[in-house]
Amino acid sequence: DIQMTQSPSTLSASVGDRVTISCRASQGISRWLAWYQQKPGKAPNLLIYKASSLQSGVPSRFSGSGSGTEFTLTISSLQPDDFATYYCLQSNTYSRTFGQGTKVEIK
Amino acid sequence: QLQLQESGPGLVKPSETLSLTCTVSGGPIISSSYYWGWIRQPPGKGLEWIGSINYSENTHYTSSLKSRVTISVDTSKNQFSLRLTSVTAADTAVYYCAGERKDGYNYLYFDYWGQGTPVTVSS
Repeated sequence: DIQMTQSPSTLSASVGDRVTISCRASQGISRWLAWYQQKPGKAPNLLIYKASSLQSGVPSRFSGSGSGTEFTLTISSLQPDDFATYYCLQSNTYSRTFGQGTKVEIK
Repeated sequence: QLQLQESGPGLVKPSETLSLTCTVSGGPIISSSYYWGWIRQPPGKGLEWIGSINYSENTHYTSSLKSRVTISVDTSKNQFSLRLTSVTAADTAVYYCAGERKDGYNYLYFDYWGQGTPVTVSS
């Protein structure tokens, strides 16, 4: 199975900061990676798919990059609504694997 | 706009079978553009993909649960279901159903989610 290693596990930041979250795959997955935001008690919300495509309705301060084994989610200017937990998800034909999650906390 | 809703018992006894159903509305479950999946989240922990199915019953399961999981689809009711046998306390989690969009490259990603249903395994 493909393993996904997400870092950091926790991130403390202030409103207006530029934030970067990384996800590494144990083997190449082309660009088959998505990013989700989850708030307590809620279902995950799709932000980015196919590594860098912004889901409709998602603010443009969110962006994704990468291919192969290294991927990054960037929030260009952190807003109060962005304090949440973020997960990456790899999808190949027969399996999907989530990263362990990154909790973005208020500094 | 798809909507998904999980239903099923919130309490299951150890060694018994967990059964959940997801009802899809706003679009047909018979779609070449979608798979339908189950994901779970134990209390205070991360997300775990359980498995996915399409309308023609092609299924994919995570290897760690494969021996205990069955996902099925009922196209007449626009529903798909999860069965997990021989449950233990480790199966206590919020269970989500989700729609998994397939693009032209056969890339899959979950874009519609149910609200989640909590299931506790306890005697």
